[in-house]
Amino acid sequence: KQEVTQIPAALSVPEGENLVLNCSFTDSAIYNLQWFRQDPGKGLTSLLLIQSSQREQTSGRLNASLDKSSGRSTLYIAASQPGDSATYLCAAGGRGTSYGKLTFGQGTILTVHP
Amino acid sequence: DAEITQSPRHKITETGRQVTLACHQTWNHNNMFWYRQDLGHGLRLIHYSYGVHDTNKGEVSDGYSVSRSNTEDLPLTLESAASSQTSVYFCASSELAGGPHNEQFFGPGTRLTVL
Repeated sequence: KQEVTQIPAALSVPEGENLVLNCSFTDSAIYNLQWFRQDPGKGLTSLLLIQSSQREQTSGRLNASLDKSSGRSTLYIAASQPGDSATYLCAAGGRGTSYGKLTFGQGTILTVHP
Repeated sequence: DAEITQSPRHKITETGRQVTLACHQTWNHNNMFWYRQDLGHGLRLIHYSYGVHDTNKGEVSDGYSVSRSNTEDLPLTLESAASSQTSVYFCASSELAGGPHNEQFFGPGTRLTVL
């Protein structure tokens, strides 16, 4: 059974810092890995999707990497802003009989203070 | 723009009542999913569907059912609501595999309280 862990559980940084959020998964046979952002009381917004054959994806100040062999993904946020404050979730997408099903980590609560 | 909507956004019901949560997507996606989100447990899969008339049980399916009569809708029914089903429910959808478009998109959620 796939298990996904996110470290740290919470992170507080001053504006302008570059930061890294970590995600690890126990079963390397994933189809893809997806990073989401969730604001309080809101739904999930997809940030980046990395296919199993890819090593990284970039969108603006966000860069996500994937190392299947070690069961790790990282989300790098450059030049953080107060508007980046949210909960960040990673989810591993299953393949085969688990196709399309996402297993989520518990999330990292990020606070960026001015 | 294509989107995924859920209704109602908030619902309060009593123990033992049947409740149906609606999910409607205009992406024309084949895959649809229901999750619940609880403190301490994160997001967990309840039921999912790969297409019309297809339904499958997820990790926490007891007490829930779904039916898929068309591509756009996957309603979630709580047969006899229990206090343990108080949660925030999210619907999601994605395309078939085989290409780059298997990203899952989520609805805004329904907050359900069972008294």
